[in-house]
Amino acid sequence: GAGVSQSPRYKVAKRGQDVALRCDPISGHVSLFWYQQALGQGPEFLTYFQNEAQLDKSGLPSDRFFAERPEGSVSTLKIQRTQQEDSAVYLCASSLRGDTQYFGPGTRLTVL
Amino acid sequence: AQSVTQLDSQVPVFEEAPVELRCNYSSSVSVYLFWYVQYPNQGLQLLLKYLSGSTLVESINGFEAEFNKSQTSFHLRKPSVHISDTAEYFCAVSHQAGTALIFGKGTTLSVSS
Repeated sequence: GAGVSQSPRYKVAKRGQDVALRCDPISGHVSLFWYQQALGQGPEFLTYFQNEAQLDKSGLPSDRFFAERPEGSVSTLKIQRTQQEDSAVYLCASSLRGDTQYFGPGTRLTVL
Repeated sequence: AQSVTQLDSQVPVFEEAPVELRCNYSSSVSVYLFWYVQYPNQGLQLLLKYLSGSTLVESINGFEAEFNKSQTSFHLRKPSVHISDTAEYFCAVSHQAGTALIFGKGTTLSVSS
């Protein structure tokens, strides 16, 4: 495709449920980033992959958050035992050389 | 640690008026600087970037930003805004390729007729 795609676009979960958010980066992009954007705030970094290697996960807020990119393309962000404070828009970005990041439309997660 | 400050949370302007959205960053090392725009219910779109070279960078839709190292600023300007420029604008910085972007809290630009 022409850009980064994410699915689902909207997700409603009951507190305690597990969720999985998918990101399809631009074809050929080596770098992939996940960000969390709370309402009225700028995006905050969660984790970074270069190909299949997770090089930085310093932004993951707790051990309930887990990300993978097993074949160096599609990535999945998983949140276990969701809490209300996890409600946010989750953005994925990809980059060819790591200098410029191109963002997907995001997944809006609402935890009830 | 790096940080980005967008000094105005909301900027209301009339159509065809000039606008400046301010951005200051704190960093002791070389930086890459970006402006992204976010329209309602959409993802972030890259507006313009400074990586190296000329300190004045321009976008295809009339925005420009100037990297000022001494003032650690990267303000965004447009001489004449349109209704369609209404959106949220985010300034971001990274200190090298392949690292996370640090974002400001955003500025809401509201253009009215």
